Amino acid sequence: QSALTQPASVSGSPGQSITVSCTGTSIILDLNNVVSWYQQHPGKAPKVIIYEVSKRPSGVSNRFSGSKSGNTASLTISGLQAEDEADYYCCAHAGSRHWVFGGGTKVTVL
Amino acid sequence: EVQLEESGGGLVQPGGSLRLSCAASGFTLGTYNMNWVRQAPGKGLEWVSFISSSSSPIFYADSVEGRFTISRDNAKNSLYLQMDSLRVEDTAVYYCAREDTSAQPFQHWGQGTLVTVSS
Repeated sequence: QSALTQPASVSGSPGQSITVSCTGTSIILDLNNVVSWYQQHPGKAPKVIIYEVSKRPSGVSNRFSGSKSGNTASLTISGLQAEDEADYYCCAHAGSRHWVFGGGTKVTVL
Repeated sequence: EVQLEESGGGLVQPGGSLRLSCAASGFTLGTYNMNWVRQAPGKGLEWVSFISSSSSPIFYADSVEGRFTISRDNAKNSLYLQMDSLRVEDTAVYYCAREDTSAQPFQHWGQGTLVTVSS
């Protein structure tokens, strides 16, 4: 069982906004701003879409946004599109360059 | 363009060994810290190991500590993962990933190489 808990699945219709949560222990998330999110399409390598809780790498759509409150980090996808259907993973620093991933959330566009 | 290409995966029996390689191009490997991350079939991502640009420090996940060894050859722009005493549960796609800063641990990924441990 991962130290970071994500819902197994989240779905939404095109154009809607959805939020994927990532809840961890206070040690992992409450005092930790090194949280990142990864998108993975089937058969492909993961791709970073959010780092340091809310920053977007160059080239990533501004429809993706991140936030954190206490021991829960969140990824919001606004204006949901068919191409957003993928698996999403949160990741946090666990100390001494050790990293922990959430179990992953399958986002389905209805 | 940053490119990472893993190789060396394959089928190995439990207790066996395998050495993975990650060839870097489009940037100077010696400037960056690197990680290995794996993904068991149908499962989530698991961080495996970290190596700094100078090869010290090095860290491992508890699940592979004492069995896997990460190394690098900056002159060859290559990263390695020596995997010994392999177990069925080590079956996974193994990815190498470049760290851009301490807060950006996996900014660039390779396409992965599949390791299957089975008798």
